[in-house]
Amino acid sequence: DTEVTQTPKHLVMGMTNKKSLKCEQHMGHRAMYWYKQKAKKPPELMFVYSYEKLSINESVPSRFSPECPNSSLLNLHLHALQPEDSALYLCASSQVRQSSGNTIYFGEGSWLTVV
Amino acid sequence: AQKVTQAQTEISVVEKEDVTLDCVYETRDTTYYLFWYKQPPSGELVFLIRRNSFDEQNEISGRYSWNFQKSTSSFNFTITASQVVDSAVYFCALSGLKTSYDKVIFGPGTSLSVIP
Repeated sequence: DTEVTQTPKHLVMGMTNKKSLKCEQHMGHRAMYWYKQKAKKPPELMFVYSYEKLSINESVPSRFSPECPNSSLLNLHLHALQPEDSALYLCASSQVRQSSGNTIYFGEGSWLTVV
Repeated sequence: AQKVTQAQTEISVVEKEDVTLDCVYETRDTTYYLFWYKQPPSGELVFLIRRNSFDEQNEISGRYSWNFQKSTSSFNFTITASQVVDSAVYFCALSGLKTSYDKVIFGPGTSLSVIP
């Protein structure tokens, strides 16, 4: 069983809606990630948080707004999305120690459909 | 630049056959990590193995084995006696060690179908 849990598993939202994706991990990891994955493609990095601070933003449109309330939680706030934003959104976490490398552990993902 | 190539887009095998998934990588880093992940239709990316660039020992875990060859920049994955539950997309990935949250570069993935 995954130790990174994501809710909701499925979400359908209109283009004017505001919704949030939530992620929680209890592995003591201090780096957390959001990835976006379109069908038949590899995951694409969106954001990285390290010690609750945003460290990487891969030029993601502002209609996606990440938030890291504490070391275990990561949210992705969604507003005014477009149909092309429909995808699988994967949360992940890892250690932040060089000696351990950075094996990233993923959650089950949230399937988002924008209508 | 870092790059991961998985030349096999889709593979179909009959149950109990052995299958090898190829992975070739490019990097200028002297220290790096290689990974394999499995993604079943449910969506979760399941971590299978991590190998650092200093360790060229091959590894076996049950029906899974990995062959890391630095000389050819390859990190191939073999499933022995395949089962239907092995049907999934498999991603090979690469990361450097400059920062602990270096970007992980994923290959395009190989979709494996095991037919009963």
